[in-house]
Amino acid sequence: EPEVTQTPSHQVTQMGQEVILRCVPISNHLYFYWYRQILGQKVEFLVSFYNNEISEKSEIFDDQFSVERPDGSNFTLKIRSTKLEDSAMYFCASPRTVTDTQYFGPGTRLTVL
Amino acid sequence: ELKVEQNPLFLSMQEGKNYTIYCNYSTTSDRLYWYRQDPGKSLESLFVLLSNGAVKQEGRLMASLDTKARLSTLHITAAVHDLSATYFCAVEGKNFGNEKLTFGTGTRLTIIP
Repeated sequence: EPEVTQTPSHQVTQMGQEVILRCVPISNHLYFYWYRQILGQKVEFLVSFYNNEISEKSEIFDDQFSVERPDGSNFTLKIRSTKLEDSAMYFCASPRTVTDTQYFGPGTRLTVL
Repeated sequence: ELKVEQNPLFLSMQEGKNYTIYCNYSTTSDRLYWYRQDPGKSLESLFVLLSNGAVKQEGRLMASLDTKARLSTLHITAAVHDLSATYFCAVEGKNFGNEKLTFGTGTRLTIIP
């Protein structure tokens, strides 16, 4: 499978701090997604991003969240002021084409203390 | 709002036995995915089902899709311990391509020697 990489693999932060999670999709991909999975629960959609714009976002994706592609390769998810309930695995996903499978990165485990 | 239900949530089965995981979804969709997740790991794509009556097989796993019934099944044949994992189905929205995935609750499968 094509490789989508994510950094860091694990992030520990204090409540109220800002975190930035990074995703490096396969080159030339245009569509990007962020999902999260609270421990032991199902995977939930956060936001989709196409052509440098958000195309859809969920109710979870409130004003504390933002996404951008600052340098044309990395794709970042920022949480401005983390809450305890933001503790989860965050997955980046990206298909090769609009009709392709969404391939998931290895995830970032975010722990908010 | 698209809803995806899986059953059973937990499945414990002996090696060598056959079993089926069910995935029901609430509205019309163009694509259905099956993913495997090992503890603490990311989601591995198993199957993408694109049309009514689609059947795909890989090793001991076979997935099928009935779009009229809005039902997909993942059948496990002669289970082996290596198949122990959590299996998720995920449904893509109605517009073909660039649609978020809505995940089922997952089925935690444990194969007992």
